[in-house]
Formats: sequence, C-alpha cells, structure tokens
Amino acid sequence: AQKVTQAQTEISVVEKEDVTLDCVYETRDTTYYLFWYKQPPSGELVFLIRRNSFDEQNEISGRYSWNFQKSTSSFNFTITASQVVDSAVYFCALSASGTYKYIFGTGTRLKVLA
Amino acid sequence: EAGVAQSPRYKIIEKRQSVAFWCNPISGHATLYWYQQILGQGPKLLIQFQNNGVVDDSQLPKDRFSAERLKGVDSTLKIQPAKLEDSAVYLCASSLVGRGQGLNTEAFFGQGTRLTVV
Repeated sequence: AQKVTQAQTEISVVEKEDVTLDCVYETRDTTYYLFWYKQPPSGELVFLIRRNSFDEQNEISGRYSWNFQKSTSSFNFTITASQVVDSAVYFCALSASGTYKYIFGTGTRLKVLA
Repeated sequence: EAGVAQSPRYKIIEKRQSVAFWCNPISGHATLYWYQQILGQGPKLLIQFQNNGVVDDSQLPKDRFSAERLKGVDSTLKIQPAKLEDSAVYLCASSLVGRGQGLNTEAFFGQGTRLTVV
C-alpha cells in the first residue's frame, strides 16, 4: 500500500525565518515519483516540484529547496527566508510509476507572520 | 497555455438533491482526474480517466456518484442524491501522459468546486 505522512498539521513562523516541511512516504514500488504542491487560499493546487526515485540529488529553486532521502523515505521541503506570500497549505504526494495516480498527504498549513 | 477549467466555483444544495460539476482539462492531456478534498484533509482520488476510458474508480461511491469524459476531453462529475458528508471541494486535474505512455508527469489542477450540502 502507498501512503504519505505529513506529521506537521500547522506551522507558524515569523517572516524571514527558515522553515522545513516534513514528508514521509511508504511504497513497495522501486520506481516512483514524489511531488510537492502549494494550495493558497484561492484553492488551486500549484505544482512545485517532481522527483523520481532514482534521483536523490537535492534541488534548490530560489528560496525553495528539497531534500530527498530514500534511506529514511523522506522528501522534505525547506523555505529559506520565508515571506508572507508563502502562507498556504503544502501537500506532498506520491505516484507509483505506471499508475499515474497521486496519493496525497494531509497537508501542512504554513502561516508566515509579518 | 490555458489551465484546467472548472465550473461552477461554488454550489449549495439541499441533501437528496442532485448536482453536476464540469471540467475542461489542459488541451492534449490524456489523463483526467477527479479528486474530493474534505476540509482539513488531502485530496482523495475519486476517478481517473485516460482519454475517455476509466482507469481507476475504486474509491468512487458508485451508488451516488457518476462521471464521464466525453470524447476524451471534457468531463462531468455528478452526485445524485447528495448527502451531508459530500460537502467538500471537488478538484479536477489533468496530466500529459497516461499508462504506457511514459514517465509520470505532474498533474495540473483547477480551482475546484466548493460544494456545500445543507
């Protein structure tokens, strides 16, 4: 069975602080894909990143960075120097190769206070 | 490039009434999904189409929910009759590829339809 766990329900930080959102996944598949999505108050899920199971390189995109560790089945997301506009619910998702079905975690609500 | 379009944005109905949601995916996307997102939870897949065929509807409550994807493009999701527990946001998404067509690409989501059943 596939499962995604986001243990942090809600995080509050002050603007310019760094914050890390945790994601732990379970799958028996050897080939799979991991995703992060942002859901602002408008409701639309915005794609942030995709990572396949054979690529454990960390990735940085501006203030965003992702740390993928197969050994601990984790795919964590760090926002550096957070801004108020980063306030949203962030979802981690898993998709096994060939199914094209996305299993989402329960999300982490991030509040960035000015 | 136009995104995934959904309508209506909001709908309020009484229990036992019927309701329908419409989705127009990104042009050329083979796979279309309907997700249900209950407040405070992550999206849960209801049904997945590849072109106009159903790939996965294992979590669709078929006694009251139905969906179709005409000509492999637009899709409608219907609930009849609605229950209080159907109150949720219904998200439509599409992705470029499907089974047997290559690597998993990301899914793109519409803004959703917020359904309130009273």
